[in-house]
Amino acid sequence: EAGVTQFPSHSVIEKGQTVTLRCDPISGHDNLYWYRRVMGKEIKFLLHFVKESKQDESGMPNNRFLAERTGGTYSTLKVQPAELEDSGVYFCASSQGDRGLDEQFFGPGTRLTVL
Amino acid sequence: DAKTTQPPSMDCAEGRAANLPCNHSTISGNEYVYWYRQIHSQGPQYIIHGLKNNETNEMASLIITEDRKSSTLILPHATLRDTAVYYCIEGVKAAGNKLTFGGGTRVLVKP
Repeated sequence: EAGVTQFPSHSVIEKGQTVTLRCDPISGHDNLYWYRRVMGKEIKFLLHFVKESKQDESGMPNNRFLAERTGGTYSTLKVQPAELEDSGVYFCASSQGDRGLDEQFFGPGTRLTVL
Repeated sequence: DAKTTQPPSMDCAEGRAANLPCNHSTISGNEYVYWYRQIHSQGPQYIIHGLKNNETNEMASLIITEDRKSSTLILPHATLRDTAVYYCIEGVKAAGNKLTFGGGTRVLVKP
C-alpha cells in the first residue's frame, strides 16, 4: 500500500512568488492534515480536512496560505505571495475514518526555501 | 503549546534498551499519550499510544504511571536506525484531533 506522498520534495522560490504544494493521502483516508516546521521551531499544525471540508484551520498563519482538497482526495497548499519566514518543511498526514487520533501517517515533507 | 515535557537529548548503546521519559502532569482523564518519532529527513512516524494501561507493540512498550502524570517509552533493543527525535504527545481520541508537537527527545544510538 502506498503511503502519503508529497510533491515536490524541494522547492526554492523568491520572495513574492507563488508556490503550490501537493499531498496525496493514503487511499481511503478521510482525514488529511498539514503541518510545518519552520527553522529552529517545533512542528506546528496548520489545518485539517475531513474529506473535502475544512474541519480546523486554526493553525493557518495568515491569508497568504490557501489549502484545498478537491473531491476529498489529494490536497494542495498554496502560498501566495511567499515570504522569507515561510521557509521550512511542510508535512502532510492522513488518518482513517472517524477514529481520530489513532495514528496519523506522515508524508516525507516538502522543503520550501524562500530567498 | 505542548503540554508534555521531555529531556532534550539522550544517548543509548546499540543493543541496549532505551528508556525515554515523558512528564504529562496536567493530562486529562480522556487524553491518551501518543509517541511519534522523526528520523532525520523523514516525516514523523507513529510508534504507540495508551490511556492508562501499559501497551506493547512490535516497535516499543509504553509504561504509564498509575497517576498518569508520566510515562516511559521503551525501545527494547535499540539499533542505529532508532536514532531520531521522539515526541510524547497528549491527545483526545476524537476525530480530527491535531497533534501538538513539543521539542521532543533527540535520541542518539551509538555502536
